[in-house]
Parts: sequence; structure tokens; C-alpha cells
Amino acid sequence: SAVISQKPSRDICQRGTSLTIQCQVDSQVTMMFWYRQQPGQSLTLIATANQGSEATYESGFVIDKFPISRPNLTFSTLTVSNMSPEDSSIYLCSVQGRAGASNEQFFGPGTRLTVL
Amino acid sequence: RKEVEQDPGPFNVPEGATVAFNCTYSNSASQSFFWYRQDCRKEPKLLMSVYSSGNEDGRFTAQLNRASQYISLLIRDSKLSDSATYLCVVNTLYNFNKFYFGSGTKLNVKP
Repeated sequence: SAVISQKPSRDICQRGTSLTIQCQVDSQVTMMFWYRQQPGQSLTLIATANQGSEATYESGFVIDKFPISRPNLTFSTLTVSNMSPEDSSIYLCSVQGRAGASNEQFFGPGTRLTVL
Repeated sequence: RKEVEQDPGPFNVPEGATVAFNCTYSNSASQSFFWYRQDCRKEPKLLMSVYSSGNEDGRFTAQLNRASQYISLLIRDSKLSDSATYLCVVNTLYNFNKFYFGSGTKLNVKP
């Protein structure tokens, strides 16, 4: 499977600030996604990170709140803007379309965010 | 209606038991099916893909029933290390390769 790293692994932030999470993959992948997982719940897709163009957001998520970049086929960032305690969650990036596993998604280790 | 539905459990079973989970999906156009395993405070990890003919990997067997729109996971000879949450995942190619995740079934294997 792909080796996926995320930075930071965890952070505690103050209300009103922003945090940028980085996702790095060890090989080129077709698709990159950002998910949120709140305590005790399953994964919710925030957006698909598109290389060279604007991300595709799911219902309930907007670019102003969750700006995403994907400058190349191995790297993406998600920013959580103007944070509130409701944004406390685990944020996960995932990748799909790696050679030999074109249809499967693999997840990074996640970023555990706590907003005070 | 949710795209993917699972019994949240928990399923509490003794070591050595056989346990089965089912998952139903609502979109008949769904193309690919997976089971993921998620340990507490960890990311989901792919356990196995589910093929139309069914597939087996050691103690784990996955089945797909397209007519009834459900998939199943059977775990034989349960180990303590099998304790985790099992996520059913469905992929529909018509919508940019979007994956739909079930809420997960929690399994506790006890000594």
C-alpha cells in the first residue's frame, strides 16, 4: 500500500485561528481526498483534492472554511479556517489510483485537532 | 436513506468463535465493495475487497449479493487481535469515484 504521511499528527488550537494540514504520498496517485471523523462516528468526505484545479466539495463543506491545495500528484493541504470547537475532529487524507491498486483507497494516519 | 447501513454492534464474542457482519447499500449502480478495519484512534485500513464471486483471505470471507444489495464479512476462529470496528465501504463510479462509508460494526473478542 502507499506510504502516506500527515503533518501535524495532532494539534490544540485556539478558537478563531486556522490550521493547515499536510498530506504527502510516496508515489504519484490519481485521486486524493480529505475526510473528517468525529468521535464515535464514521468518516465524512469533505472534498476531493484536484491536481491543478479547485477542489470538489461535498454538501455542507465550503472552500472558505476548508481551502484545499493540490499542487502535484503526491501532495495536498487542507486548511481548517476560523476554527471553532465544533471543528474538533480527526482529519484524514486518503489516496486512490496508485499503481497496482487503482480502485482502493488508503488512508494517512490522521491529524487529531482539538479547538479550545 | 443512508447509502450504506451497518449494525453498529457491539458484537461481543469469545475467542475462537465465528462471527458475521452484514452491510446493505442503497445504490444499485454501486461498483466496488470493501471492508476496512479501524482500530481505536487509528486510521482505517483496507481489510479486503469484495468480489462478485466472493473471496477468502485466511480466516476472513467476504460475500456480495447484488440482488439483495448487501455484502457480508465472516470471521472464523476469532482472535483477540480482531477486536476493532469494521467499516463497510461502497464505491460508485458515476460520482467521481466517491466512496461511501458505513458507520461501522464494533467487534469485541474476549478471552
